[in-house]
Amino acid sequence: NAGVTQTPKFQVLKTGQSMTLQCAQDMNHNSMYWYRQDPGMGLRLIYYSASEGTTDKGEVPNGYNVSRLNKREFSLRLESAAPSQTSVYFCASSDSGLAGVGGDIQYFGAGTRLSVL
Amino acid sequence: AQTVTQSQPEMSVQEAETVTLSCTYDTSENNYYLFWYKQPPSRQMILVIRQEAYKQQNATENRFSVNFQKAAKSFSLKISDSQLGDTAMYFCALRSYNTDKLIFGTGTRLQVFP
Repeated sequence: NAGVTQTPKFQVLKTGQSMTLQCAQDMNHNSMYWYRQDPGMGLRLIYYSASEGTTDKGEVPNGYNVSRLNKREFSLRLESAAPSQTSVYFCASSDSGLAGVGGDIQYFGAGTRLSVL
Repeated sequence: AQTVTQSQPEMSVQEAETVTLSCTYDTSENNYYLFWYKQPPSRQMILVIRQEAYKQQNATENRFSVNFQKAAKSFSLKISDSQLGDTAMYFCALRSYNTDKLIFGTGTRLQVFP
């Protein structure tokens, strides 16, 4: 009963380092999302993927890249980390093809807490 | 642009009492969905309740119910018989019918006291 799995759970980077956050879902969902959560600002969408092979920018895409490797996996890459990217990152998925019968519901992973020094 | 506003940064309630969390939103769409998510200290985002805008009947899930006022663009969450395990951040969120994107409010931190 895994749902959405994110790795790692915690990470500390130095400014300028790169890293990839991994996300996998086992619910056969079409759509996947990356959010960041900052104090007092709720969750903001970074990138999303409506289906395998497609990705689109969200509200705050600068400094990030994504890859929809296959239907299950959606990774988020920081090429040159900056202190402003210190945040908690959430991956989510939904079966958007079933909008109106529950496909609109997004299911979230447990998050990755990232600190950039 | 769509927006979601939660005007109560923090709330507290005594165990077994009832509390209502407020949410207002703005959208030009006629068809959309509204959600309340709970985020306990574990950080996991958990869906509490969902409302489809075209349905006039307010959604309920056990102790959780909503007061959906479409004309006023208001979507409040009522928690009855509050339990210690209800202590969490609560986020209101909006999604248009024809988009995958969720717009979140800034959250309300709820503390349930014994």
